[in-house]
Amino acid sequence: EVQLVESGGGLVKPGGSLRLSCAASGFTFSSYSMNWVRQAPGKGLEWVSSISSSSSYIYYADSVKGRFTISRDNAKNSLYLQMNSLRAEDTAVYYCARDGPPGTGWFDPWGQGTLVTVSS
Amino acid sequence: SYVLTQPPSVSVAPGQTARITCGGNNIGSKSVHWYQQKPGQAPVLVVYDDSDRPSGIPERFSGSNSGNTATLTISRVEAGDEADYYCQVWDSSSDHYVVFGGGTKLTVL
Repeated sequence: EVQLVESGGGLVKPGGSLRLSCAASGFTFSSYSMNWVRQAPGKGLEWVSSISSSSSYIYYADSVKGRFTISRDNAKNSLYLQMNSLRAEDTAVYYCARDGPPGTGWFDPWGQGTLVTVSS
Repeated sequence: SYVLTQPPSVSVAPGQTARITCGGNNIGSKSVHWYQQKPGQAPVLVVYDDSDRPSGIPERFSGSNSGNTATLTISRVEAGDEADYYCQVWDSSSDHYVVFGGGTKLTVL
């Protein structure tokens, strides 16, 4: 069974840092691009970042560029999101999601999400 | 940046057909994907590449895409279809790599 499990969320003060992890299982992790998508409380989905299978290509939403860093460790079947200079507006559930085949751009499956709360 | 516009809400009686639209400039030239999200749960892909269904998704879910509008159609709507639905495209022509619509709340009356 394909599974994605996020961890690392929690309460952090504005200006602080947090590192999210996503553990993948049930598929050949090194063959797929991966993504982070977030959802603020009561709001819609917002794409955050994507990374190609070999980490050659990395993309960020303008809202997080320069503050967040996506990375992966294919040997550990893990995806990461380092979040620095956190702001109140970064408060959201963060989902990791697997890309479809190269060039398709759809996300399936998604993890269950991890909640990040930025508050003093 | 590319913008996808969805109606905030759609209501339909059980057994009827629900149509949820997703508007975007020349969206017909892009592949559109649709997700269903029930309260407290992660999104689930229900239609990809405009009109294909992942395994396990009922045939009642279908999609189309032409011109400036993509449409998710849910036939014979059931109470369990009540959820938020999001369209999404991959905009490789800009820095806004992935774009989601604002979401549509489907209410089954």
